[in-house]
Amino acid sequence: KQEVTQIPAALSVPEGENLVLNCSFTDSAIYNLQWFRQDPGKGLTSLLLIQSSQREQTSGRLNASLDKSSGRSTLYIAASQPGDSATYLCAVRRTGANSKLTFGKGITLSVRP
Amino acid sequence: ETGVTQSPTHLIKTRGQQVTLRCSSQSGHNTVSWYQQALGQGPQFIFQYYREEENGRGNFPPRFSGLQFPNYSSELNVNALELDDSALYLCASSRGTGYTGELFFGEGSRLTVL
Repeated sequence: KQEVTQIPAALSVPEGENLVLNCSFTDSAIYNLQWFRQDPGKGLTSLLLIQSSQREQTSGRLNASLDKSSGRSTLYIAASQPGDSATYLCAVRRTGANSKLTFGKGITLSVRP
Repeated sequence: ETGVTQSPTHLIKTRGQQVTLRCSSQSGHNTVSWYQQALGQGPQFIFQYYREEENGRGNFPPRFSGLQFPNYSSELNVNALELDDSALYLCASSRGTGYTGELFFGEGSRLTVL
């Protein structure tokens, strides 16, 4: 059974800091990994999708990396801003038929002005 | 391009009642999946529909059922509501069979069961 862990559960940083959010998963037989952002009481916004054959993806100030062999992914946020405050979730999709997304519980990020 | 839309945004029901939640998929997407997110938890997969057929189901009881229509919109029905059904219900759409591409989520329907 795939398990996804995101530690710590919450993080507070001053504005302008570069930060790394971690995600680990137990089963390395994954098809892809997706990072999402969730604002309080809202839906999920897709940030980055990394296919299993890829090592990283970049979008603006965001960079996500994937190391399947060690079961880890990181989301790097450069020059953090108060508007980046949200919960960040990672989700993995295992290989095989009818494979759903398995989510971590998320990391709640607060960026202080 | 229209994103994933869900209705209603909030609703309150009592134990034992039935509820129907609705979802319109993003333009060009033919697969819809539903997730339940309890407070402080990550979303949990309920089921997925591709071309009007259920092609994947998570660990949810049969009182959770769904439909997909020819225009790829979808409904989630929950019968005999229990207190633990209180959650944010998220709909996601994607292209193809749904197990390969990027998922795009709606804003969710917040269900409170009293």
